[in-house]
Amino acid sequence: AQSVTQPDIHITVSEGASLELRCNYSYGATPYLFWYVQSPGQGLQLLLKYFSGDTLVQGIKGFEAEFKRSQSSFNLRKPSVHWSDAAEYFCAVASNTGKLIFGQGTTLQVKP
Amino acid sequence: NAGVTQTPKFQVLKTGQSMTLQCAQDMNHEYMSWYRQDPGMGLRLIHYSVGAGITDQGEVPNGYNVSRSTTEDFPLRLLSAAPSQTSVYFCASRGGTGFSHEQYFGPGTRLTVT
Repeated sequence: AQSVTQPDIHITVSEGASLELRCNYSYGATPYLFWYVQSPGQGLQLLLKYFSGDTLVQGIKGFEAEFKRSQSSFNLRKPSVHWSDAAEYFCAVASNTGKLIFGQGTTLQVKP
Repeated sequence: NAGVTQTPKFQVLKTGQSMTLQCAQDMNHEYMSWYRQDPGMGLRLIHYSVGAGITDQGEVPNGYNVSRSTTEDFPLRLLSAAPSQTSVYFCASRGGTGFSHEQYFGPGTRLTVT
């Protein structure tokens, strides 16, 4: 069965530091992968998605993610974090039955 | 466009009460879905619909009913609320059944069952 694991429940980084959020998936075929961000009290917003092609995907707000088939990973990165990036981040994979399967989420805290 | 709207934002129910969570979208999207979000569990799919008159179960459908009489609306009904249904509920929609279409989420309904 398809699944998504986000190993880090909570991450704290200093403002201006780089960020990497980990995501591992389990899926037999080429996956459709997504990263969403949820600000406090808000719904989810799509940051970026991977369907095929270039394994480095650019998204909104300066985020990027790299698909690594050999590691079954789709890690999210940002070179320099801003205080406004504090939020919860969800990785998701589209299942072969047409549904989105979400990871448990990673809460990002940004220190001034 | 208002996007995806949900009402109410907050609700407190007593065990055994029933209620309907409303969801509407003004983007003429075919696909709509309901998720619940619980701490440490991400979002889990409750029910979904690929068009008016067509609904199907997701991962955690027990205790919930849905119907889709129009393209715009996709209400979620709790027939007899239980404390285990305390959660944040999100409605989402996208333009087609394929994932090349972006999925848009509503702001959520926070439900507490006492």
